[in-house]
Amino acid sequence: AQTVTQSQPEMSVQEAETVTLSCTYDTSESDYYLFWYKQPPSRQMILVIRQEAYKQQNATENRFSVNFQKAAKSFSLKISDSQLGDAAMYFCAYRSSGTYKYIFGTGTRLKVLA
Amino acid sequence: EPEVTQTPSHQVTQMGQEVILRCVPISNHLYFYWYRQILGQKVEFLVSFYNNEISEKSEIFDDQFSVERPDGSNFTLKIRSTKLEDSAMYFCASTGHGAVGEKLFFGSGTQLSVL
Repeated sequence: AQTVTQSQPEMSVQEAETVTLSCTYDTSESDYYLFWYKQPPSRQMILVIRQEAYKQQNATENRFSVNFQKAAKSFSLKISDSQLGDAAMYFCAYRSSGTYKYIFGTGTRLKVLA
Repeated sequence: EPEVTQTPSHQVTQMGQEVILRCVPISNHLYFYWYRQILGQKVEFLVSFYNNEISEKSEIFDDQFSVERPDGSNFTLKIRSTKLEDSAMYFCASTGHGAVGEKLFFGSGTQLSVL
Protein backbone atom coordinates (compact mmCIF):
# COMPACT_ATOMS: atom_id res chain seq x y z
CA ALA A 1 0.00 0.00 0.00
CA GLN A 2 1.14 3.51 -0.71
CA THR A 3 2.15 5.60 2.27
CA VAL A 4 3.25 9.19 2.78
CA THR A 5 5.48 10.13 5.70
CA GLN A 6 6.25 13.55 7.07
CA SER A 7 8.79 13.19 9.84
CA GLN A 8 8.77 16.80 11.06
CA PRO A 9 5.67 17.54 13.16
CA GLU A 10 6.71 21.17 13.53
CA MET A 11 9.22 23.57 12.00
CA SER A 12 10.07 27.21 12.65
CA VAL A 13 11.62 29.77 10.34
CA GLN A 14 12.53 33.42 10.67
CA GLU A 15 10.69 35.79 8.40
CA ALA A 16 12.57 36.23 5.10
CA GLU A 17 14.57 33.05 5.65
CA THR A 18 14.30 29.73 3.81
CA VAL A 19 12.85 26.53 5.19
CA THR A 20 12.59 23.00 3.83
CA LEU A 21 9.82 20.58 4.76
CA SER A 22 10.47 16.87 4.24
CA CYS A 23 8.25 14.21 2.78
CA THR A 24 8.94 10.62 1.83
CA TYR A 25 6.58 8.18 0.21
CA ASP A 26 6.42 4.53 -0.60
CA THR A 27 4.98 3.16 -3.81
CA SER A 28 5.57 0.55 -6.44
CA GLU A 29 3.69 2.56 -9.05
CA SER A 30 5.48 4.43 -11.84
CA ASP A 31 2.77 6.90 -12.84
CA TYR A 32 1.91 9.24 -10.00
CA TYR A 33 1.77 12.82 -8.83
CA LEU A 34 2.94 14.41 -5.62
CA PHE A 35 1.38 17.47 -4.06
CA TRP A 36 1.95 19.92 -1.25
CA TYR A 37 -1.17 21.39 0.33
CA LYS A 38 -1.31 24.23 2.82
CA GLN A 39 -3.89 24.33 5.60
CA PRO A 40 -4.03 27.76 7.26
CA PRO A 41 -5.90 28.34 10.55
CA SER A 42 -9.14 28.61 8.54
CA ARG A 43 -8.54 24.87 7.86
CA GLN A 44 -9.38 25.04 4.16
CA MET A 45 -6.80 23.06 2.18
CA ILE A 46 -5.07 24.93 -0.63
CA LEU A 47 -2.77 23.45 -3.26
CA VAL A 48 0.74 24.90 -3.10
CA ILE A 49 2.59 22.92 -5.74
CA ARG A 50 2.53 19.60 -7.59
CA GLN A 51 5.04 17.37 -9.34
CA GLU A 52 4.57 14.66 -11.93
CA ALA A 53 6.72 11.60 -11.33
CA TYR A 54 7.83 11.45 -14.96
CA LYS A 55 9.27 14.97 -14.89
CA GLN A 56 12.87 15.22 -13.76
CA GLN A 57 12.72 18.98 -13.46
CA ASN A 58 11.65 20.17 -10.04
CA ALA A 59 8.43 22.18 -9.93
CA THR A 60 8.50 25.80 -8.81
CA GLU A 61 5.72 28.26 -7.98
CA ASN A 62 7.07 31.67 -7.06
CA ARG A 63 8.70 31.30 -3.61
CA PHE A 64 7.82 27.60 -3.41
CA SER A 65 9.90 24.86 -4.99
CA VAL A 66 10.34 21.15 -4.55
CA ASN A 67 13.29 18.80 -4.47
CA PHE A 68 11.99 15.61 -6.05
CA GLN A 69 14.29 12.63 -5.69
CA LYS A 70 12.46 9.78 -7.36
CA ALA A 71 14.91 7.01 -6.55
CA ALA A 72 14.94 8.00 -2.90
CA LYS A 73 11.16 8.55 -2.93
CA SER A 74 11.64 11.94 -1.41
CA PHE A 75 9.64 15.11 -2.12
CA SER A 76 10.65 18.10 -0.02
CA LEU A 77 9.15 21.59 -0.16
CA LYS A 78 11.38 24.65 0.00
CA ILE A 79 9.86 27.97 0.96
CA SER A 80 12.09 30.95 0.22
CA ASP A 81 11.75 34.42 1.69
CA SER A 82 9.27 33.12 4.27
CA GLN A 83 6.37 35.40 5.10
CA LEU A 84 4.08 35.53 8.11
CA GLY A 85 1.25 34.35 5.88
CA ASP A 86 3.13 31.11 5.21
CA ALA A 87 2.42 29.96 8.75
CA ALA A 88 0.17 26.94 8.38
CA MET A 89 0.00 23.17 8.41
CA TYR A 90 1.59 21.69 5.29
CA PHE A 91 0.53 18.31 3.97
CA CYS A 92 2.35 16.20 1.43
CA ALA A 93 0.02 14.10 -0.73
CA TYR A 94 0.29 11.36 -3.34
CA ARG A 95 -1.94 10.02 -6.03
CA SER A 96 -1.21 7.28 -8.55
CA SER A 97 -2.94 6.62 -11.84
CA GLY A 98 -4.54 3.43 -10.60
CA THR A 99 -6.76 5.10 -8.04
CA TYR A 100 -8.85 8.21 -7.43
CA LYS A 101 -7.63 8.38 -3.85
CA TYR A 102 -5.23 11.10 -2.72
CA ILE A 103 -3.14 9.95 0.25
CA PHE A 104 -1.99 12.56 2.74
CA GLY A 105 0.87 12.61 5.22
CA THR A 106 0.49 13.60 8.85
CA GLY A 107 1.46 17.20 8.21
CA THR A 108 4.14 19.65 9.34
CA ARG A 109 3.15 22.74 11.28
CA LEU A 110 5.22 25.70 10.09
CA LYS A 111 5.70 28.69 12.37
CA VAL A 112 7.09 31.90 10.94
CA LEU A 113 8.83 34.11 13.47
CA ALA A 114 8.83 37.87 13.02
CA GLU B 1 -11.53 30.79 -8.45
CA PRO B 2 -14.56 28.47 -8.20
CA GLU B 3 -15.35 27.11 -4.76
CA VAL B 4 -16.65 24.00 -3.09
CA THR B 5 -19.30 24.96 -0.56
CA GLN B 6 -20.04 23.00 2.61
CA THR B 7 -22.86 23.39 5.08
CA PRO B 8 -23.16 23.62 7.99
CA SER B 9 -19.78 24.89 9.15
CA HIS B 10 -20.39 23.39 12.60
CA GLN B 11 -22.69 20.57 13.63
CA VAL B 12 -23.25 19.34 17.15
CA THR B 13 -25.14 16.10 17.67
CA GLN B 14 -25.84 13.51 20.30
CA MET B 15 -24.27 10.08 20.07
CA GLY B 16 -26.53 7.73 18.14
CA GLN B 17 -28.16 10.45 16.09
CA GLU B 18 -28.05 10.66 12.32
CA VAL B 19 -26.28 13.57 10.65
CA ILE B 20 -26.15 14.71 7.05
CA LEU B 21 -23.27 16.85 5.89
CA ARG B 22 -23.86 18.78 2.71
CA CYS B 23 -21.57 19.88 -0.07
CA VAL B 24 -21.99 21.69 -3.34
CA PRO B 25 -19.02 20.77 -5.55
CA ILE B 26 -17.82 22.97 -8.37
CA SER B 27 -20.47 22.85 -11.05
CA ASN B 28 -18.59 21.15 -13.90
CA HIS B 29 -16.67 18.73 -11.71
CA LEU B 30 -17.31 15.02 -12.01
CA TYR B 31 -15.38 13.41 -9.16
CA PHE B 32 -16.30 13.95 -5.55
CA TYR B 33 -14.65 13.06 -2.29
CA TRP B 34 -15.13 13.10 1.44
CA TYR B 35 -12.12 13.34 3.74
CA ARG B 36 -12.01 13.77 7.49
CA GLN B 37 -9.46 15.20 9.88
CA ILE B 38 -9.50 14.49 13.57
CA LEU B 39 -8.03 17.50 15.36
CA GLY B 40 -4.28 17.65 14.95
CA GLN B 41 -4.13 14.50 12.89
CA LYS B 42 -3.75 13.67 9.23
CA VAL B 43 -6.36 14.12 6.55
CA GLU B 44 -7.96 10.72 5.99
CA PHE B 45 -9.70 9.53 2.84
CA LEU B 46 -13.24 8.30 3.31
CA VAL B 47 -14.79 7.87 -0.12
CA SER B 48 -14.66 8.87 -3.76
CA PHE B 49 -17.74 9.12 -5.98
CA TYR B 50 -18.18 9.26 -9.72
CA ASN B 51 -21.09 8.77 -12.08
CA ASN B 52 -23.52 8.33 -9.19
CA GLU B 53 -21.65 5.55 -7.52
CA ILE B 54 -18.83 5.00 -5.08
CA SER B 55 -15.54 4.43 -6.89
CA GLU B 56 -13.41 3.79 -3.81
CA LYS B 57 -13.86 3.77 -0.07
CA SER B 58 -11.62 3.34 2.95
CA GLU B 59 -11.93 0.99 5.91
CA ILE B 60 -13.34 3.92 7.90
CA PHE B 61 -16.30 4.14 5.54
CA ASP B 62 -18.34 1.35 7.04
CA ASP B 63 -22.08 0.65 6.94
CA GLN B 64 -22.76 3.68 9.13
CA PHE B 65 -21.69 5.96 6.30
CA SER B 66 -23.38 6.64 3.00
CA VAL B 67 -23.05 9.22 0.23
CA GLU B 68 -25.52 10.53 -2.24
CA ARG B 69 -25.82 13.05 -5.03
CA PRO B 70 -29.55 13.58 -4.83
CA ASP B 71 -30.11 16.35 -7.35
CA GLY B 72 -27.09 16.83 -9.60
CA SER B 73 -25.62 19.65 -7.52
CA ASN B 74 -25.51 18.56 -3.88
CA PHE B 75 -23.24 15.81 -2.57
CA THR B 76 -24.06 14.54 0.89
CA LEU B 77 -22.41 12.40 3.53
CA LYS B 78 -24.74 10.68 5.97
CA ILE B 79 -23.63 9.12 9.22
CA ARG B 80 -26.45 6.90 10.37
CA SER B 81 -25.71 6.53 14.07
CA THR B 82 -22.93 8.80 15.21
CA LYS B 83 -20.23 7.71 17.64
CA LEU B 84 -17.96 9.86 19.79
CA GLU B 85 -15.04 8.96 17.55
CA ASP B 86 -16.82 10.44 14.53
CA SER B 87 -16.02 13.88 15.93
CA ALA B 88 -13.80 15.47 13.29
CA MET B 89 -13.62 18.06 10.55
CA TYR B 90 -15.20 16.66 7.40
CA PHE B 91 -13.97 18.01 4.09
CA CYS B 92 -15.70 17.68 0.77
CA ALA B 93 -13.52 17.92 -2.34
CA SER B 94 -13.94 17.65 -6.07
CA THR B 95 -11.95 17.40 -9.28
CA GLY B 96 -12.96 17.98 -12.85
CA HIS B 97 -11.91 14.97 -14.88
CA GLY B 98 -10.31 12.59 -12.43
CA ALA B 99 -6.90 12.91 -14.07
CA VAL B 100 -4.08 11.85 -11.80
CA GLY B 101 -2.45 15.27 -11.70
CA GLU B 102 -5.56 17.28 -11.05
CA LYS B 103 -5.68 19.28 -7.88
CA LEU B 104 -8.36 18.62 -5.34
CA PHE B 105 -10.58 21.60 -4.67
CA PHE B 106 -11.55 21.48 -1.01
CA GLY B 107 -14.47 23.01 0.81
CA SER B 108 -13.92 24.82 4.09
CA GLY B 109 -15.14 21.85 6.08
CA THR B 110 -17.87 20.92 8.56
CA GLN B 111 -16.74 20.54 12.15
CA LEU B 112 -18.78 17.67 13.59
CA SER B 113 -18.93 17.33 17.36
CA VAL B 114 -20.57 14.21 18.78
CA LEU B 115 -21.51 14.49 22.45
